[in-house]
Amino acid sequence: DVKVTQSSRYLVKRTGEKVFLECVQDMDHENMFWYRQDPGLGLRLIYFSYDVKMKEKGDIPEGYSVSREKKERFSLILESASTNQTSMYLCASTHGDERGAQETQYFGPGTRLLVL
Amino acid sequence: AQSVTQLDSQVPVFEEAPVELRCNYSSSVSVYLFWYVQYPNQGLQLLLKYLSGSTLVESINGFEAEFNKSQTSFHLRKPSVHISDTAEYFCAALKGGSEKLVFGKGTKLTVNP
Repeated sequence: DVKVTQSSRYLVKRTGEKVFLECVQDMDHENMFWYRQDPGLGLRLIYFSYDVKMKEKGDIPEGYSVSREKKERFSLILESASTNQTSMYLCASTHGDERGAQETQYFGPGTRLLVL
Repeated sequence: AQSVTQLDSQVPVFEEAPVELRCNYSSSVSVYLFWYVQYPNQGLQLLLKYLSGSTLVESINGFEAEFNKSQTSFHLRKPSVHISDTAEYFCAALKGGSEKLVFGKGTKLTVNP
């Protein structure tokens, strides 16, 4: 059974704090994604990683960075959290190459982050 | 212009009624099309997808979607909904030439008794 896990379901942080969101997949997938989900806006891609130490900006990368030191783990970092980063954060993974383009993206359960 | 457009943000229906959730896509995305479902307090999971071949695709829980190239649509339908179908539904398409998905803004389906 495929699995994508996220380190926290709920997180409360203060403005200016550094925040780490962790995502782990056990499917040996090359591609991993971080999205944020906001009401009425759907899912928006923050960052994408297609291999260890490789990353690509998504549609809304400002205020975020990522780290992929191991294939199974993809971290999203908020360098200095702000209230407009209060959101639901979803991680997903899929195979690389043509298979990944056509296959399911597997999602974690999400981390609901509140920045006060 | 938005790449994937879901025309209804909320759709309330009664149990056992038919439902259609509408999705249109633009030429900036590929014709690899997906519907994902998000049940309350969960992540997204794939409902069905169209890659090629038959334009009508079905899911295991009674949903179906039809790829219509001339109308650039991929509407999701179910002839008779259950309370358990209450969820948010996202239409998505692969960005042309990439492995990234573009999502619509979602449609909240509420099935009332």
